[in-house]
Amino acid sequence: GQQVMQIPQYQHVQEGEDFTTYCNSSTTLSNIQWYKQRPGGHPVFLIQLVKSGEVKKQKRLTFQFGEAKKNSSLHITATQTTDVGTYFCAPDFGNEKLTFGTGTRLTIIP
Amino acid sequence: DTAVSQTPKYLVTQMGNDKSIKCEQNLGHDTMYWYKQDSKKFLKIMFSYNNKELIINETVPNRFSPKSPDKAHLNLHINSLELGDSAVYFCASSQSRETGNTIYFGEGSWLTVV
Repeated sequence: GQQVMQIPQYQHVQEGEDFTTYCNSSTTLSNIQWYKQRPGGHPVFLIQLVKSGEVKKQKRLTFQFGEAKKNSSLHITATQTTDVGTYFCAPDFGNEKLTFGTGTRLTIIP
Repeated sequence: DTAVSQTPKYLVTQMGNDKSIKCEQNLGHDTMYWYKQDSKKFLKIMFSYNNKELIINETVPNRFSPKSPDKAHLNLHINSLELGDSAVYFCASSQSRETGNTIYFGEGSWLTVV
């Protein structure tokens, strides 16, 4: 079946440390999106990756799509308190149903 | 102006009651969704409508009934509420039914069943 695993479920980091969340699929994806949900807020679109091996950057955030289009990662360099929230990957299996990963909840220790 | 708006934002109700959550989007999108987020933050799709037509209906109890009077509105009615229905319900929309489109979420409706 089409499944995606997102790890870790929780991550606590000191402010200034780096953070990475991974999304791993059992099948090849058409594309993958990433969303961020602040505490008490709603998911907000961050980026979409389409091409094999694609790397995109948004300031301190780096998004990667694996060569086989089964894995993706989001890396944050030098975390800040504003990075707090839950990060979701949203893999596209090409079935008109955008599902979401289980999310990684990031907390920052000042 | 809020792109996807849903009401009410907070709802506390007793078991067995019937309640509705309304959703409207002013983005001109064709596709609308209802997602449920539980206490563990898992986001699960419940329903999807494209131009008022139901296209996705996940394994959801039939106590949940969506209604789309036009493509800008997608309401969710819940009958005989149970404790396990307590969650945050997010309405969302996208340009079209093809995945690869950005999903725009409403601010959520916090439902607590007591």
